[in-house]
Amino acid sequence: AQKVTQAQTEISVVEKEDVTLDCVYETRDTTYYLFWYKQPPSGELVFLIRRNSFDEQNEISGRYSWNFQKSTSSFNFTITASQVVDSAVYFCALRNAGGTSYGKLTFGQGTILTVHP
Amino acid sequence: DTEVTQTPKHLVMGMTNKKSLKCEQHMGHRAMYWYKQKAKKPPELMFVYSYEKLSINESVPSRFSPECPNSSLLNLHLHALQPEDSALYLCASSQERNTEAFFGQGTRLTVV
Repeated sequence: AQKVTQAQTEISVVEKEDVTLDCVYETRDTTYYLFWYKQPPSGELVFLIRRNSFDEQNEISGRYSWNFQKSTSSFNFTITASQVVDSAVYFCALRNAGGTSYGKLTFGQGTILTVHP
Repeated sequence: DTEVTQTPKHLVMGMTNKKSLKCEQHMGHRAMYWYKQKAKKPPELMFVYSYEKLSINESVPSRFSPECPNSSLLNLHLHALQPEDSALYLCASSQERNTEAFFGQGTRLTVV
Protein backbone atom coordinates (compact mmCIF):
# COMPACT_ATOMS: atom_id res chain seq x y z
CA ALA A 1 0.00 0.00 0.00
CA GLN A 2 1.13 3.51 -0.70
CA LYS A 3 0.93 6.40 1.71
CA VAL A 4 1.94 10.06 1.71
CA THR A 5 2.20 12.01 4.95
CA GLN A 6 2.30 15.77 5.20
CA ALA A 7 2.63 16.30 8.93
CA GLN A 8 2.16 20.08 8.80
CA THR A 9 -1.54 20.83 8.52
CA GLU A 10 -1.13 24.60 8.49
CA ILE A 11 1.84 26.95 8.30
CA SER A 12 1.71 30.70 8.74
CA VAL A 13 4.66 32.94 7.84
CA VAL A 14 5.36 36.58 7.18
CA GLU A 15 6.35 37.68 3.71
CA LYS A 16 10.03 37.17 2.83
CA GLU A 17 10.45 34.33 5.29
CA ASP A 18 11.66 30.98 3.99
CA VAL A 19 9.33 28.04 4.55
CA THR A 20 9.76 24.28 4.14
CA LEU A 21 6.88 21.91 3.55
CA ASP A 22 7.56 18.33 4.60
CA CYS A 23 6.52 15.21 2.74
CA VAL A 24 7.21 11.60 3.74
CA TYR A 25 6.07 8.70 1.62
CA GLU A 26 5.72 4.93 1.85
CA THR A 27 5.77 2.50 -1.06
CA ARG A 28 6.95 -1.03 -1.78
CA ASP A 29 7.70 -0.22 -5.40
CA THR A 30 11.29 0.32 -6.48
CA THR A 31 10.20 2.64 -9.28
CA TYR A 32 7.80 5.44 -8.47
CA TYR A 33 7.15 9.12 -9.10
CA LEU A 34 6.72 11.99 -6.67
CA PHE A 35 4.89 15.24 -7.33
CA TRP A 36 4.07 18.55 -5.71
CA TYR A 37 0.91 20.46 -6.56
CA LYS A 38 -0.34 23.88 -5.50
CA GLN A 39 -4.06 24.53 -5.05
CA PRO A 40 -5.00 28.22 -4.77
CA PRO A 41 -8.50 29.24 -3.64
CA SER A 42 -9.71 29.07 -7.25
CA GLY A 43 -9.55 25.27 -6.94
CA GLU A 44 -7.30 24.26 -9.82
CA LEU A 45 -4.39 22.00 -8.92
CA VAL A 46 -1.22 23.46 -10.39
CA PHE A 47 1.60 21.07 -11.18
CA LEU A 48 4.94 22.18 -9.69
CA ILE A 49 7.40 19.31 -10.05
CA ARG A 50 7.82 15.62 -10.80
CA ARG A 51 10.70 13.53 -9.46
CA ASN A 52 11.47 9.95 -10.53
CA SER A 53 12.62 7.50 -7.87
CA PHE A 54 15.88 6.83 -9.70
CA ASP A 55 16.79 10.52 -9.86
CA GLU A 56 17.78 11.92 -6.47
CA GLN A 57 19.13 15.16 -7.84
CA ASN A 58 17.69 18.14 -6.03
CA GLU A 59 16.09 20.87 -8.07
CA ILE A 60 15.74 24.62 -7.88
CA SER A 61 13.27 26.69 -9.86
CA GLY A 62 13.34 30.35 -8.98
CA ARG A 63 12.26 30.68 -5.35
CA TYR A 64 11.24 27.02 -5.20
CA SER A 65 13.53 24.13 -4.35
CA TRP A 66 12.99 20.46 -3.68
CA ASN A 67 15.05 18.05 -1.59
CA PHE A 68 14.52 14.36 -2.44
CA GLN A 69 16.11 11.87 -0.04
CA LYS A 70 15.39 8.24 -0.76
CA SER A 71 17.15 7.11 2.42
CA THR A 72 14.53 8.86 4.55
CA SER A 73 11.65 8.57 2.03
CA SER A 74 11.24 12.32 2.04
CA PHE A 75 10.54 14.87 -0.67
CA ASN A 76 10.53 18.29 0.96
CA PHE A 77 9.64 21.58 -0.69
CA THR A 78 11.17 24.94 0.25
CA ILE A 79 9.93 28.36 -0.76
CA THR A 80 12.56 31.06 -0.36
CA ALA A 81 11.52 34.65 0.36
CA SER A 82 7.83 33.77 0.48
CA GLN A 83 5.23 36.06 -1.06
CA VAL A 84 1.53 36.57 -0.41
CA VAL A 85 0.79 34.91 -3.77
CA ASP A 86 2.31 31.69 -2.39
CA SER A 87 -0.67 31.32 -0.07
CA ALA A 88 -2.40 28.10 -1.07
CA VAL A 89 -2.81 24.45 -0.17
CA TYR A 90 0.19 22.37 -1.22
CA PHE A 91 -0.13 18.66 -1.90
CA CYS A 92 2.60 16.08 -2.17
CA ALA A 93 1.63 13.02 -4.22
CA LEU A 94 2.98 9.60 -5.16
CA ARG A 95 2.34 7.48 -8.22
CA ASN A 96 3.54 3.94 -8.80
CA ALA A 97 4.99 2.68 -12.07
CA GLY A 98 2.66 -0.23 -12.74
CA GLY A 99 0.23 -2.73 -11.28
CA THR A 100 -3.53 -2.55 -10.97
CA SER A 101 -3.39 1.01 -9.63
CA TYR A 102 -1.12 2.26 -12.38
CA GLY A 103 -1.94 5.90 -12.95
CA LYS A 104 -3.40 6.58 -9.51
CA LEU A 105 -2.04 9.58 -7.65
CA THR A 106 -1.95 9.10 -3.88
CA PHE A 107 -2.11 12.50 -2.24
CA GLY A 108 -1.01 13.63 1.18
CA GLN A 109 -3.52 15.51 3.32
CA GLY A 110 -2.13 18.84 2.17
CA THR A 111 -0.48 21.76 3.95
CA ILE A 112 -2.28 25.09 4.10
CA LEU A 113 0.30 27.84 3.69
CA THR A 114 -0.65 31.39 4.61
CA VAL A 115 1.81 34.18 3.87
CA HIS A 116 1.01 37.44 5.64
CA PRO A 117 2.13 40.80 4.26
CA ASP B 1 -0.54 24.88 -23.76
CA THR B 2 -1.22 22.88 -20.60
CA GLU B 3 -4.92 23.50 -20.38
CA VAL B 4 -7.68 21.21 -19.27
CA THR B 5 -11.11 22.77 -19.65
CA GLN B 6 -14.05 21.73 -17.50
CA THR B 7 -17.68 22.75 -17.87
CA PRO B 8 -19.73 23.83 -16.13
CA LYS B 9 -17.78 25.60 -13.38
CA HIS B 10 -20.73 25.43 -11.00
CA LEU B 11 -23.70 23.08 -10.96
CA VAL B 12 -26.69 22.79 -8.64
CA MET B 13 -28.86 19.74 -9.19
CA GLY B 14 -31.71 17.97 -7.50
CA MET B 15 -31.53 14.36 -6.43
CA THR B 16 -33.76 13.26 -9.30
CA ASN B 17 -31.90 15.17 -12.01
CA LYS B 18 -29.56 13.85 -14.67
CA LYS B 19 -26.60 16.02 -15.57
CA SER B 20 -23.18 15.66 -17.15
CA LEU B 21 -19.79 17.15 -16.43
CA LYS B 22 -17.50 17.71 -19.38
CA CYS B 23 -13.73 17.80 -19.67
CA GLU B 24 -11.60 18.58 -22.71
CA GLN B 25 -7.88 18.64 -23.42
CA HIS B 26 -5.97 19.23 -26.65
CA MET B 27 -2.50 18.29 -25.49
CA GLY B 28 -2.56 14.85 -27.08
CA HIS B 29 -2.60 13.23 -23.67
CA ARG B 30 -3.61 9.56 -23.60
CA ALA B 31 -4.62 9.30 -19.95
CA MET B 32 -7.55 11.14 -18.39
CA TYR B 33 -8.88 11.14 -14.86
CA TRP B 34 -11.81 12.11 -12.66
CA TYR B 35 -11.14 13.09 -9.06
CA LYS B 36 -13.55 14.11 -6.31
CA GLN B 37 -12.49 16.58 -3.65
CA LYS B 38 -14.40 17.41 -0.49
CA ALA B 39 -13.63 20.59 1.43
CA LYS B 40 -10.31 20.57 3.28
CA LYS B 41 -9.46 17.10 1.94
CA PRO B 42 -7.11 15.87 -0.78
CA PRO B 43 -8.50 14.80 -4.15
CA GLU B 44 -9.71 11.21 -4.33
CA LEU B 45 -9.39 9.26 -7.54
CA MET B 46 -12.64 8.07 -9.12
CA PHE B 47 -11.74 6.86 -12.64
CA VAL B 48 -8.75 6.52 -14.94
CA TYR B 49 -8.97 6.22 -18.71
CA SER B 50 -5.95 5.15 -20.71
CA TYR B 51 -6.11 5.24 -24.51
CA GLU B 52 -9.88 5.77 -24.24
CA LYS B 53 -10.37 2.60 -22.19
CA LEU B 54 -11.41 2.55 -18.55
CA SER B 55 -8.44 1.23 -16.59
CA ILE B 56 -9.35 2.10 -13.00
CA ASN B 57 -12.73 2.41 -11.28
CA GLU B 58 -12.18 3.10 -7.60
CA SER B 59 -15.40 1.37 -6.56
CA VAL B 60 -17.43 4.43 -7.45
CA PRO B 61 -21.23 4.12 -7.07
CA SER B 62 -23.08 3.52 -10.31
CA ARG B 63 -24.85 6.87 -10.06
CA PHE B 64 -21.57 8.20 -11.48
CA SER B 65 -20.99 7.01 -15.03
CA PRO B 66 -17.84 8.01 -16.94
CA GLU B 67 -17.54 8.16 -20.69
CA CYS B 68 -14.58 8.81 -22.97
CA PRO B 69 -15.99 9.55 -26.47
CA ASN B 70 -12.54 10.27 -27.92
CA SER B 71 -8.99 10.98 -26.85
CA SER B 72 -9.73 14.64 -26.10
CA LEU B 73 -13.00 14.36 -24.21
CA LEU B 74 -14.07 12.92 -20.90
CA ASN B 75 -17.58 13.08 -19.50
CA LEU B 76 -19.03 12.21 -16.13
CA HIS B 77 -22.74 11.44 -16.20
CA LEU B 78 -24.60 12.03 -12.96
CA HIS B 79 -27.92 10.48 -11.98
CA ALA B 80 -29.84 10.23 -8.72
CA LEU B 81 -27.08 11.82 -6.68
CA GLN B 82 -27.19 12.32 -2.92
CA PRO B 83 -26.42 15.51 -0.98
CA GLU B 84 -23.16 13.91 0.23
CA ASP B 85 -22.00 13.83 -3.39
CA SER B 86 -21.64 17.60 -3.25
CA ALA B 87 -17.96 18.32 -3.90
CA LEU B 88 -15.42 19.74 -6.31
CA TYR B 89 -15.01 17.40 -9.28
CA LEU B 90 -11.64 17.66 -10.95
CA CYS B 91 -10.65 16.36 -14.33
CA ALA B 92 -7.00 15.78 -15.23
CA SER B 93 -4.95 14.48 -18.11
CA SER B 94 -1.39 13.25 -18.59
CA GLN B 95 0.76 12.16 -21.50
CA GLU B 96 0.96 8.67 -20.07
CA ARG B 97 -0.09 7.23 -16.72
CA ASN B 98 3.34 7.78 -15.19
CA THR B 99 3.80 11.42 -16.18
CA GLU B 100 2.60 14.58 -14.51
CA ALA B 101 -1.13 15.19 -14.58
CA PHE B 102 -2.58 18.57 -15.45
CA PHE B 103 -5.83 19.51 -13.78
CA GLY B 104 -8.80 21.57 -14.82
CA GLN B 105 -10.37 24.20 -12.57
CA GLY B 106 -13.05 21.78 -11.52
CA THR B 107 -16.83 21.77 -11.29
CA ARG B 108 -18.30 22.72 -7.94
CA LEU B 109 -21.31 20.48 -7.61
CA THR B 110 -24.09 21.01 -5.11
CA VAL B 111 -26.82 18.37 -4.76
CA VAL B 112 -30.01 19.63 -3.15
